[in-house]
Amino acid sequence: DGGITQSPKYLFRKEGQNVTLSCEQNLNHDAMYWYRQDPGQGLRLIYYSQIVNDFQKGDIAEGYSVSREKKESFPLTVTSAQKNPTAFYLCASGGLTNYGYTFGSGTRLTVV
Amino acid sequence: GQQVMQIPQYQHVQEGEDFTTYCNSSTTLSNIQWYKQRPGGHPVFLIQLVKSGEVKKQKRLTFQFGEAKKNSSLHITATQTTDVGTYFCPISNAGGTSYGKLTFGQGTILTVHP
Repeated sequence: DGGITQSPKYLFRKEGQNVTLSCEQNLNHDAMYWYRQDPGQGLRLIYYSQIVNDFQKGDIAEGYSVSREKKESFPLTVTSAQKNPTAFYLCASGGLTNYGYTFGSGTRLTVV
Repeated sequence: GQQVMQIPQYQHVQEGEDFTTYCNSSTTLSNIQWYKQRPGGHPVFLIQLVKSGEVKKQKRLTFQFGEAKKNSSLHITATQTTDVGTYFCPISNAGGTSYGKLTFGQGTILTVHP
């Protein structure tokens, strides 16, 4: 079945450590996105990529970095510069159709 | 950038009652999408509306796009406990061959009491 896989589902890290969240899709979508969701809040866009080897900052890119070396993969690194990294991170992909975005099941990051 | 306001922020209903959530934009939208996120889950795409005055139905769900393409609504008839979740109406800045990006508001959190 086609879809998006995010791993791990839960992640715990100590403050000051960088951490990389994985996102892989086999939907052959060109565009991929990273969103952050805090409890009871909507989704805020961190970074997005519309083509391999290219990506753009979203609304809250500070303290995050991404890469897009392959069409299928769009990993997100949460750096120690991110002030409040504890959140639910959602990866999505989309194609040029009216089928909307497909979201992964998310990674819950807790920094202690 | 474009923003959408969604009301109400919270809605509590008894099972069997109807429910409606509204999205309003100050600017004309090219399209609007609707997503549902179950508690603890991820957003799932429900539908996209593109045409002025468009009405689409999915079983007990009715989606409308306003004539001026500045507002949209989702109406659920006879709610069930499976309807519990947060409903979002993100807007896209996509056009032509651009994928664009979706901007999400806070959504409407629906709880259904059995």
